[in-house]
Amino acid sequence: AQTVTQSQPEMSVQEAETVTLSCTYDTSESDYYLFWYKQPPSRQMILVIRQEAYKQQNATENRFSVNFQKAAKSFSLKISDSQLGDAAMYFCAYRSAGWSGTASKLTFGTGTRLQVTL
Amino acid sequence: GAGVSQSPSNKVTEKGKDVELRCDPISGHTALYWYRQSLGQGLEFLIYFQGNSAPDKSGLPSDRFSAERTGGSVSTLTIQRTQQEDSAVYLCASSLVRGSTYEQYFGPGTRLTVT
Repeated sequence: AQTVTQSQPEMSVQEAETVTLSCTYDTSESDYYLFWYKQPPSRQMILVIRQEAYKQQNATENRFSVNFQKAAKSFSLKISDSQLGDAAMYFCAYRSAGWSGTASKLTFGTGTRLQVTL
Repeated sequence: GAGVSQSPSNKVTEKGKDVELRCDPISGHTALYWYRQSLGQGLEFLIYFQGNSAPDKSGLPSDRFSAERTGGSVSTLTIQRTQQEDSAVYLCASSLVRGSTYEQYFGPGTRLTVT
């Protein structure tokens, strides 16, 4: 079974600064997907960024980027120019690639609560 | 288009009562998932539907939990004889099964409180 570990229960960053959230995972599979989800107090899980394991290039979405180290099984999220609206719980998640035409569940880490201060 | 919707938003029930939670996925999404988010256990997978069938129900914690999906659309998660440890936020997600990543889109969840 796959496991996802987020070792930082809470992080704090000042507005406009950069913060990195850590995530490690354990799997014996070679093909999979990794995700970062944001969950604000509204409870709605919002996809922030995704990474396909077969891609060596790190994914980037505006102010959000990842550092994907496949051999080390590490998948960290960097938030640049932090904004007050970035304050939320952030979950790292893993999904097996699965067979064509099927889908599979997400396995989540325990989350990191990010505070953004003025 | 409309996102995933769930009802009710909040539900308070007495221990021992049955509850039904509803999920309305995004139109055209054939895959549907239920997750549970609780303080002690984090986010746990419960069950996955492909169309009306459930190829993976490995996460259902006990036989008090069941789910069905009819018409390849709406799903209902039923908890019988609720216990206090069932108190949690129940999240539903849906996805396509064709495409590169089968991204899962989540609903706002149902907060269940068992008193």
